[in-house]
Amino acid sequence: QVQLQESGPGLVKPSETLSLTCTVSGGSISSYYWSWIRQPPGKGLEWIGYIYYSGSTNYNPSLKSRVTISVDTSKNQFSLKLSSVTAADTAVYYCARLDAGVVAATGGWYFDLWGRGTLVTVSS
Amino acid sequence: DIQMTQSPSSVSASVGDRVTITCRASQGISSWLAWYQQKPGKAPKLLIYAASSLQSGVPSRFSGSGSGTDFTLTISSLQPEDFATYYCQQANSFPQLTFGGGTKVEIK
Repeated sequence: QVQLQESGPGLVKPSETLSLTCTVSGGSISSYYWSWIRQPPGKGLEWIGYIYYSGSTNYNPSLKSRVTISVDTSKNQFSLKLSSVTAADTAVYYCARLDAGVVAATGGWYFDLWGRGTLVTVSS
Repeated sequence: DIQMTQSPSSVSASVGDRVTITCRASQGISSWLAWYQQKPGKAPKLLIYAASSLQSGVPSRFSGSGSGTDFTLTISSLQPEDFATYYCQQANSFPQLTFGGGTKVEIK
């Protein structure tokens, strides 16, 4: 079955750029939207943005100036870059899938598959 | 942006109890609402989409209802594996998709 796996540094210094990759295994990255969501320790969920396999993107306005999401279909991967990080960016970062078929049929954007998440700590 | 407010923030219940969680949107979102279950140290899991549609593989004791601004997740007979935190998510209104603050279902 399709699985998602996040990877990247667990510790990032303040003012630097957080970089994470999500690898999609067991299926194709095509025909889906792919998203990043984060959860600060002990807190709720925050949507960061999504990318379609074709490369179109949509970002949370509160993070838009610092976020870039990209896709590499040849590697079945998509990536997150978050610049100028502070301690407030410390969180578990999840990658997740949005089914384009469900979006087209229902108009709703639902995260039907998630990675296990990776904790990124911002500290000097 | 649409704000999602869940109540209660926590509930204590026993195995076999019926549990109801409420989610209210700051403006109408039709039926574009999802519910997720999250256990400690794990990723959220989609339970309900389109307000009342059960995701494949999810037990039928979970049900969702509502439209517009008021939504409900019901667990008809609480099982030991259902103790978790539950989140609602508005699923159509951009510029951002937003989640509720969560409801923790604890053992009584």
